[in-house]
Amino acid sequence: GDSVTQMEGPVTLSEEAFLTINCTYTATGYPSLFWYVQYPGEGLQLLLKATKADDKGSNKGFEATYRKETTSFHLEKGSVQVSDSAVYFCALSHTGGFKTIFGAGTRLFVKA
Amino acid sequence: NAGVTQTPKFQVLKTGQSMTLQCAQDMNHEYMSWYRQDPGMGLRLIHYSVGAGITDQGEVPNGYNVSRSTTEDFPLRLLSAAPSQTSVYFCASSYGRPSGTYNEQFFGPGTRLTVL
Repeated sequence: GDSVTQMEGPVTLSEEAFLTINCTYTATGYPSLFWYVQYPGEGLQLLLKATKADDKGSNKGFEATYRKETTSFHLEKGSVQVSDSAVYFCALSHTGGFKTIFGAGTRLFVKA
Repeated sequence: NAGVTQTPKFQVLKTGQSMTLQCAQDMNHEYMSWYRQDPGMGLRLIHYSVGAGITDQGEVPNGYNVSRSTTEDFPLRLLSAAPSQTSVYFCASSYGRPSGTYNEQFFGPGTRLTVL
C-alpha cells in the first residue's frame, strides 16, 4: 500500500542555518504530495503542496520539488528562524482516493 | 469564520466509559475526517465522510463510531474506552476529496484523551 517515510528527528539547527528534511514515498500512479506543519499545541496546517512531477511547492521560504524518478519530496529552507520550530509532516493523497497518508513527522528545533 | 472547532480540548476517561468528541466546521466543506496522532506514528485515519449521511472506515476504525447528519458536524464516539485509545485526536475538513484540486485539509486544534 501507499506509504511515506521521513527522516527521524529531532533536527536541531542554529538560526540562519540551511534546513533539509528528507521525505520519500511509495505509491502507484501520480499522488499529490504535501508538507504540513504543526506548531506547539496546535493542529496541522498546510505548508506547501505539489500535484504533479517536477512541480515545486513553496511558501514562507520553504520549498519542495516533486521528484518522480527518486519518489522524493524533500523540504528545504535557506535560512531557518526560531519561529520555524515545529513538527513537519510529509503526506500524500492518491489519485482518485479519499485518504491522506502521513509520515511520522520530524521535529525541528531552531536555537537563537 | 471559526474554521474547524473541536471540543473538549482535554478529557480523562476510565476504562469502559463512553464519550463523544465533537467536531464542527463552518466552511461548508463536504469532506471531513478523524485522525489519531501517536508518538512516532504520524496521523492515522479513523473514519471519514464525503458528505452528510455518508461515512466510511479509515485505517484504524475499531472502537470508534461516527455519523454525519449535517454538513457542519462530524462527532466521533468512543463506545467503551480502552487505554490503547489514549491519544491526541484531530478532526479535519476539506472542500473536496484529498486527491482533488481543492484538497487542502484544515485541522482543528485537537483533543488530548487519556484513558486510565
